Amino acid sequence: AQKVTQAQTEISVVEKEDVTLDCVYETRDTTYYLFWYKQPPSGELVFLIRRNSFDEQNEISGRYSWNFQKSTSSFNFTITASQVVDSAVYFCALRTGSSNTGKLIFGQGTTLQVKP
Amino acid sequence: DAGVTQSPTHLIKTRGQQVTLRCSPISGHKSVSWYQQVLGQGPQFIFQYYEKEERGRGNFPDRFSARQFPNYSSELNVNALLLGDSALYLCASSWGEGVGQETQYFGPGTRLLVL
Repeated sequence: AQKVTQAQTEISVVEKEDVTLDCVYETRDTTYYLFWYKQPPSGELVFLIRRNSFDEQNEISGRYSWNFQKSTSSFNFTITASQVVDSAVYFCALRTGSSNTGKLIFGQGTTLQVKP
Repeated sequence: DAGVTQSPTHLIKTRGQQVTLRCSPISGHKSVSWYQQVLGQGPQFIFQYYEKEERGRGNFPDRFSARQFPNYSSELNVNALLLGDSALYLCASSWGEGVGQETQYFGPGTRLLVL
């Protein structure tokens, strides 16, 4: 079975704090793709990053960084020096290579509140 | 370039009615997927269309149907609406269905309220 678990329902931090959002996935496929999306109050899902299962390099983009560890089936997302504009719901998603559709399997989401 | 567009933005219907939601993909994208997002949950996959053919269907009843037009835009139809159909309906587009074109870009969604 394929599944994505985001155990943190809500996180609240003060501006400039670092925060890590956890994502654990389950799949028996050897080829798969992991994604992070941001959903601000407006509702639109904003694509942040895609990671392929065969590429375990961590990635940094400005204040954002992602730690992909196949050994623990985790794909965690860290925001450094958080800002109020980072407040949103963040979703981790999985697409398996054996699927012949573009179906994304989403976690429940983590609501991040950054207070000034 | 314009992103994914959806219409209408908001919709109120009563139980038993039918609704049609519309989506225009990013220019050049040939695949459209539909998701339902109930409040407080992650999006759930409903359909994927590629080159006007259904390529995938999620665990939704036959009341849900969709189609894709020659210009790659898409419609999602829901018949005999139930209160539980109240949700944000998201459309996503991607370039194609192959391994190299996996990123889906989402539109702003249509908020459907069934009374």
